[in-house]
Amino acid sequence: GESVGLHLPTLSVQEGDNSIINCAYSNSASDYFIWYKQESGKGPQFIIDIRSNMDKRQGQRVTVLLNKTVKHLSLQIAATQPGDSAVYFCAENPPGENSGYSTLTFGKGTMLLVSP
Amino acid sequence: DAGITQSPRHKVTETGTPVTLRCHQTENHRYMYWYRQDPGHGLRLIHYSYGVKDTDKGEVSDGYSVSRSKTEDFLLTLESATSSQTSVYFCAISESGGTTPQHFGDGTRLSIL
Repeated sequence: GESVGLHLPTLSVQEGDNSIINCAYSNSASDYFIWYKQESGKGPQFIIDIRSNMDKRQGQRVTVLLNKTVKHLSLQIAATQPGDSAVYFCAENPPGENSGYSTLTFGKGTMLLVSP
Repeated sequence: DAGITQSPRHKVTETGTPVTLRCHQTENHRYMYWYRQDPGHGLRLIHYSYGVKDTDKGEVSDGYSVSRSKTEDFLLTLESATSSQTSVYFCAISESGGTTPQHFGDGTRLSIL
């Protein structure tokens, strides 16, 4: 069947390299941001999040950087492994007219391909 | 993994028939969401719920309705399915809406012929 990865920007790296995936978000009033990983045939999996009062947050092998001035998020993956191959996308929580901060808006994603 | 079960996982049906997809959670989270995912569009919100019997529309709600009679179950209904509703549907849950992570089920692949 069709893959969610069709027509996505693709980042190809070698195993062991560091990967950087970028995301431009749309709403300067968003105060919470998330990165997800999605493997073929599966649901999105939470990786790491960051609030707007922070510039950087680290997890296990992953770091998220937030630049509010230019509305930019990046996800850094250290020592990338073949198992990291997936589609990665960011999400933000723009305030809605009626929904407050209840919902997320998702980017279209970047496909990461890791070669052994 | 968050305790989210979507059913059915796959369904093929004909145009004009009603279809109901079910999302069941065991986490007792207040918020539940239905998304569709299509190539070139990413995840788009259909409807969401912020409590039992409390629901609101998302970006692409036309042709869909939802119900939440219990905390653990959130149903998505296509009253009269159309081919444009062929998609992969994901359910998500979160504790506190857009300020906590949403956790997703594994999706339902729906084909409408």
